[in-house]
Amino acid sequence: DGGITQSPKYLFRKEGQNVTLSCEQNLNHDAMYWYRQDPGQGLRLIYYSQIVNDFQKGDIAEGYSVSREKKESFPLTVTSAQKNPTAFYLCASSPSREKGIGGELFFGEGSRLTVL
Amino acid sequence: AQSVAQPEDQVNVAEGNPLTVKCTYSVSGNPYLFWYVQYPNRGLQFLLKYITGDNLVKGSYGFEAEFNKSQTSFHLKKPSALVSDSALYFCAVRDGSTGGFKTIFGAGTRLFVKA
Repeated sequence: DGGITQSPKYLFRKEGQNVTLSCEQNLNHDAMYWYRQDPGQGLRLIYYSQIVNDFQKGDIAEGYSVSREKKESFPLTVTSAQKNPTAFYLCASSPSREKGIGGELFFGEGSRLTVL
Repeated sequence: AQSVAQPEDQVNVAEGNPLTVKCTYSVSGNPYLFWYVQYPNRGLQFLLKYITGDNLVKGSYGFEAEFNKSQTSFHLKKPSALVSDSALYFCAVRDGSTGGFKTIFGAGTRLFVKA
């Protein structure tokens, strides 16, 4: 089945450590996104990528980094510079650019990061 | 800049009654509007979208939404609520004039449907 796979589902980190969250899609979508979800704040955009080897900062990119070396993959690294990293992280993708920008987002099941 | 407001943190409704979840938006260009639903500890699922055309949009699970350009609103509605509709609902907007893919979400509205 086509979809988006995020791993790990749960992750614990000690302060000062970098961690990388995986996001893989087999939907042949051009665009991919990372959002952070905190209670009462909805989803906030961290980074997004419209095409391979290109990505843009969202509204809360500080302390995070991404890469887009393959169409299928968009990993997110939470660095030690992120002061409050405990959150639920959601990866998403949207259909190819040939279909226009009206395509809805398809989400993974999320990764919950807890800093100990 | 794009923004979305969901003015109600929570909506309570009795099963069988109609429900409305409110959303207002702000974009500089043409709005592309979306509704998503989230169940506990899961990703979001797409419900419906407005891109162009008829202002009343029908989506999954009997939900519909009405686009109102003058009031910059896109309220989610259902004629008869089910207990299983209880979940967290998000409104989202994309600026259709910029040619980009940036999608901004509201803070979410929690819907409780009581049996």
